[in-house]
Amino acid sequence: RKEVEQDPGPFNVPEGATVAFNCTYSNSASQSFFWYRQDCRKEPKLLMSVYSSGNEDGRFTAQLNRASQYISLLIRDSKLSDSATYLCVVNRNSGNTPLVFGKGTRLSVIA
Amino acid sequence: GAGVSQSPSNKVTEKGKDVELRCDPISGHTALYWYRQSLGQGLEFLIYFQGNSAPDKSGLPSDRFSAERTGGSVSTLTIQRTQQEDSAVYLCASSLFPVGEAFFGQGTRLTVV
Repeated sequence: RKEVEQDPGPFNVPEGATVAFNCTYSNSASQSFFWYRQDCRKEPKLLMSVYSSGNEDGRFTAQLNRASQYISLLIRDSKLSDSATYLCVVNRNSGNTPLVFGKGTRLSVIA
Repeated sequence: GAGVSQSPSNKVTEKGKDVELRCDPISGHTALYWYRQSLGQGLEFLIYFQGNSAPDKSGLPSDRFSAERTGGSVSTLTIQRTQQEDSAVYLCASSLFPVGEAFFGQGTRLTVV
């Protein structure tokens, strides 16, 4: 089992739709969690951190479920500019390399 | 500079040649990562540096790959005797602390012909 797993998609949704991605992680000792966004042929950029209490930034909401070991990202009122690959990142704070990246979920928002 | 800087941005090399890729992390960041990304694929971890600790080299695909980080700052990734399958974007990232978020450079696109 991979340490961080995501549905690769693609998710094709119309503008204005609400879309949600889940990501599961296997290491229960993981400490911190992030969502990154990667546009085509660009480097990944931090979208938001994921806190235990959940957090919201405009149209984006991130949730953490430690008991079930997954994090989620909800995007409301999708825009064409939201089209990108969304990477789930887990900081396991153990082992040699703390950050573990998922393979990403591809989102296409269609007009 | 304010962000992670990588050079060169593009490199075309002949099969069998050696290449060096450079990464300047954000000033003060103790952790530094190298990743490789082939077209349409996810990030492939290569190597991790944290302060003065021994690096985690577990992701290096072969002994043709090596990396060093001098003075806890600049890092160089060296690929010897390049092969066509080495063609990819090489991304460097740094973070202030091991538990913090990582910031990426724009990458070096390596093409081996």
